[in-house]
Amino acid sequence: SQQGEEDPQALSIQEGENATMNCSYKTSINNLQWYRQNSGRGLVHLILIRSNEREKHSGRLRVTLDTSKKSSSLLITASRAADTASYFCAPGGQAGTALIFGKGTTLSVSS
Amino acid sequence: GAGVSQSPRYKVAKRGQDVALRCDPISGHVSLFWYQQALGQGPEFLTYFQNEAQLDKSGLPSDRFFAERPEGSVSTLKIQRTQQEDSAVYLCASSLGTGSFGANVLTFGAGSRLTVL
Repeated sequence: SQQGEEDPQALSIQEGENATMNCSYKTSINNLQWYRQNSGRGLVHLILIRSNEREKHSGRLRVTLDTSKKSSSLLITASRAADTASYFCAPGGQAGTALIFGKGTTLSVSS
Repeated sequence: GAGVSQSPRYKVAKRGQDVALRCDPISGHVSLFWYQQALGQGPEFLTYFQNEAQLDKSGLPSDRFFAERPEGSVSTLKIQRTQQEDSAVYLCASSLGTGSFGANVLTFGAGSRLTVL
């Protein structure tokens, strides 16, 4: 597996606004995952998108994947204070292989 | 169990002491991973097990770090002669590891926070 690079490093928005964060990677992948980490907690899996998918939705989350540009984006719509967390992407390969995480995007949602 | 359980949640050690951190993965999960997370950083990969076999230990920072999973379930991360730079949160994660497509989705524990004085 390889490390993804999240951008921006930090993002501050107001409740109700949308938040977009991006992930870039270097070599071809089988899938890509996004995880969230609340302060003082472990990471929580949000969504997995396969390499043959372009877009995937889960509740207020929308993930896109552009394999030609080797990039993915995570959109959180109508953000809430509870969305305040760090978000990590993990470009993945085979089952059972280690996921490598970057520094993440720290999202702060204020009410 | 229902989730990944780590103990202790908090550990304070004096420099030079040995520490042992335990991870109970989800029952039936083949793969188990250890990560080290310094304050403000992302998790850094340490080592990976498939059942009892340690398939990758490339991330262990020195020979003071040792991990085992003797029966393919519970794992222990041991740090000998702790140093201040070992202070971090140690995260354990497990996954199905084989079979279904989503087999490399990781479920993380809450972590063990180690402070070395």
